[in-house]
Formats: sequence, structure tokens, C-alpha cells
Amino acid sequence: QKEVEQDPGPLSVPEGAIVSLNCTYSNSAFQYFMWYRQYSRKGPELLMYTYSSGNKEDGRFTAQVDKSSKYISLFIRDSQPSDSATYLCAMNSGGSYIPTFGRGTSLIVHP
Amino acid sequence: EADIYQTPRYLVIGTGKKITLECSQTMGHDKMYWYQQDPGMELHLIHYSYGVNSTEKGDLSSESTVSRIRTEHFPLTLESARPSHTSQYLCASSEGAGETQYFGPGTRLLVL
Repeated sequence: QKEVEQDPGPLSVPEGAIVSLNCTYSNSAFQYFMWYRQYSRKGPELLMYTYSSGNKEDGRFTAQVDKSSKYISLFIRDSQPSDSATYLCAMNSGGSYIPTFGRGTSLIVHP
Repeated sequence: EADIYQTPRYLVIGTGKKITLECSQTMGHDKMYWYQQDPGMELHLIHYSYGVNSTEKGDLSSESTVSRIRTEHFPLTLESARPSHTSQYLCASSEGAGETQYFGPGTRLLVL
């Protein structure tokens, strides 16, 4: 079993839908949680960064961390075709400089 | 916006050739990383560096080498390219405890 599990999708939704992307993890030492967006043939770009549990909101994006369940989520409101990309979760214990990445979920938002 | 650059962006080369993929960052980050990513697949860490004159191998067995002579520069060298090296190579950097990484645009390598 991998330390970080993420469904590769693809997840296909209509424009305007609320999207929920999720990762589960097994390492209880993880404290830092990140979401990256990667467009096709580009490098990943950091979307959201959360420390410990709780919610963080940035525009249409909300990151949620539930450490008791070892479960993190990224919600996208009013999804747009430009949101079509692969979304990677990543996490770190803080004692390591090397984050652990999920394999990414491919999201397709169709007009 | 992160300032991390990779050259070349695309490279087609024959088997047995020596190649160097360049990566530079202007943010003064002490930590730098190289990842390999096949299309639609996960990232695999191949090398990383905590600072000048510090390099470590990652999880993925690799026939490549790296050097870190200057803070801003972290080149990756393949001594003898093989078709199995065909992939996308991503360079990243981070500061502080390294929770967040900033990625370059990637180099897509095709070895014939």
C-alpha cells in the first residue's frame, strides 16, 4: 500500500459543477498538505498549502484536511473548462525535505 | 510566480549520447530536486540537493548524475542515453523546511 492514495480518474464534470478531489494517506506524521495543478506537458504549480487540520479557502478553491481520518480534499466551485488539468496532492511530515506525492487525478470540465 | 528555468524544453537524441539537462532558479532556494514523470503517471524523485556540494539519490534507480556547484544551478547528466530514458524531467526548488516546491516547465526527452 502506498503512503498516499489518489484516484487517477479521469473525473469528467460539466462546467459550473462543484468538484471534489481527494487523497488518503497512512503516515500520521504528515503535517503539511499541498495541492498542485498540472496542465498537460507542463510542470506542476502550487495551488494550496495547509498546515495541520482545518480548511483553507482561496477564491473558488477550498482545501480541507481531516487528520483523524487521514483524508484531504480539494473543492473547486463553479468549475471552468480552464480547470481541466491533473491535480496532485502532496504531503510532508516536516522532518523531511521530500514531500510524498499522490499520482494525480485527471479532471475534465466540459462546456 | 516562481522563477525556475529548464533547458532544453524538448530534446530528441540518439542512443549512447551524453546529455545534460539544465535547471536554474533565481529565488535563492537552498533545496533543489529532479523528478521523472511519464505521461499520466506519478512523479518519481531521482535526485535532490540540500545545498551547494550536497547531492543525494532519490527513490527511482537512475543512471544519471547531478552536481550542485552553485546555489542557483542543478544540472542533470545522462552519460549514455537509452530509449528507456525517454520521459519528462522536472526540476523543482524549495526553501525552508521544503514543504512547498516550485517546479520548472520540464524537459521532454526522446531517445531513439
